[in-house]
Amino acid sequence: EAGVTQFPSHSVIEKGQTVTLRCDPISGHDNLYWYRRVMGKEIKFLLHFVKESKQDESGMPNNRFLAERTGGTYSTLKVQPAELEDSGVYFCASSSGLYPYIQYFGAGTRLSVL
Amino acid sequence: SQKIEQNSEALNIQEGKTATLTCNYTNYSPAYLQWYRQDPGRGPVFLLLIRENEKEKRKERLKVTFDTTLKQSLFHITASQPADSATYLCALSYNTDKLIFGTGTRLQVFP
Repeated sequence: EAGVTQFPSHSVIEKGQTVTLRCDPISGHDNLYWYRRVMGKEIKFLLHFVKESKQDESGMPNNRFLAERTGGTYSTLKVQPAELEDSGVYFCASSSGLYPYIQYFGAGTRLSVL
Repeated sequence: SQKIEQNSEALNIQEGKTATLTCNYTNYSPAYLQWYRQDPGRGPVFLLLIRENEKEKRKERLKVTFDTTLKQSLFHITASQPADSATYLCALSYNTDKLIFGTGTRLQVFP
């Protein structure tokens, strides 16, 4: 069974440009999460989808970040325009929503904004 | 807001010894406390989950304890091996939703 896959693994862009990150969850997982780790800090929650609906987007930093999950399958996270402080590693995770609520993480996308 | 502290940034131990990692939190106790392992360039991998009404959980060489009075969890790896070297993350959750992570402890097991 394929795990959570994220693309690209690494992205280097200039300040002001747009970047789109993609996450393919484990097949059949209705719950999809985005997290971010900036240098030296802990992994922080961004948002949570249940199927195609946003269940909780309390961690989204500002309106430059837009997450979508069309059809309840894969998800994209767009940053537009990117700022220097957006640099970090963006993780996606998915879960079935059943106990013990394990979240399976992808390898992450390392975003560098120059 | 909830704050999580893991005992130290790095822990070095000799192979065969028991590694003990600490996770302390503030505010109210979570419904679930989880431990993850993270290797360089990889995402976190789930290891163990313990509920607030449980005192201890075991899985092979791993043991987790949860003390809601002390607001603390201890994570033990017995008979440690160099392959156990990684960063270990403590994470809290209050329902089925978001995880709140600590900064992690980097464990190095040397032969």
